[in-house]
Amino acid sequence: NAGVTQTPKFRILKIGQSMTLQCAQDMNHNYMYWYRQDPGMGLKLIYYSVGAGITDKGEVPNGYNVSRSTTEDFPLRLELAAPSQTSVYFCASSYLTDTLWSYTFGSGTRLTVV
Amino acid sequence: AQKITQTQPGMFVQEKEAVTLDCTYDTSDPSYGLFWYKQPSSGEMIFLIYQGSYDQQNATEGRYSLNFQKARKSANLVISASQLGDSAMYFCAMSTGTASKLTFGTGTRLQVTL
Repeated sequence: NAGVTQTPKFRILKIGQSMTLQCAQDMNHNYMYWYRQDPGMGLKLIYYSVGAGITDKGEVPNGYNVSRSTTEDFPLRLELAAPSQTSVYFCASSYLTDTLWSYTFGSGTRLTVV
Repeated sequence: AQKITQTQPGMFVQEKEAVTLDCTYDTSDPSYGLFWYKQPSSGEMIFLIYQGSYDQQNATEGRYSLNFQKARKSANLVISASQLGDSAMYFCAMSTGTASKLTFGTGTRLQVTL
């Protein structure tokens, strides 16, 4: 199984440019998430989705948009990139087993806005 | 609001010794889960251990155990017989709500020495 695949792994953007961070999972998980990790900090939730067609804001949604047209894909769109969006972005998916929530993280996308 | 507090920015431990990483949490939700993740310098998030709020026994996974004290709202990670490969950032996180959104602490950097 590939798990959660994020592309690209690295990207440099100029201020004002836009881009889409791709995230795909092959585990048929209903729940998917986007987190960002600023240097020396823990992860913060940007957006999440509980299934295809359903998305909701997390703690730090400003400057981002998401869509979930299929169970597998959950892209994150950055419009008008700003230096404050320089961060490492993690996509994750999860499901509930009998006894616990099982989370799978992607390997991350390191974004620099200059 | 949910909150995770990790008060130890950095810890040192000698190889083969045990170490405890502290984590306290705050939530009004009666149902929650507590996670510990390891983040090596390569950046990926590695799941270590999980404790559900209704679990009666402390979770254990190999050399990792979670000291869960519900009344004190603490969920400390104990690593026994430390190894050089344990050197990394360690994050405590809490999941709440039907979508299991994660709230992270700021992390503890553990350095294992000879």
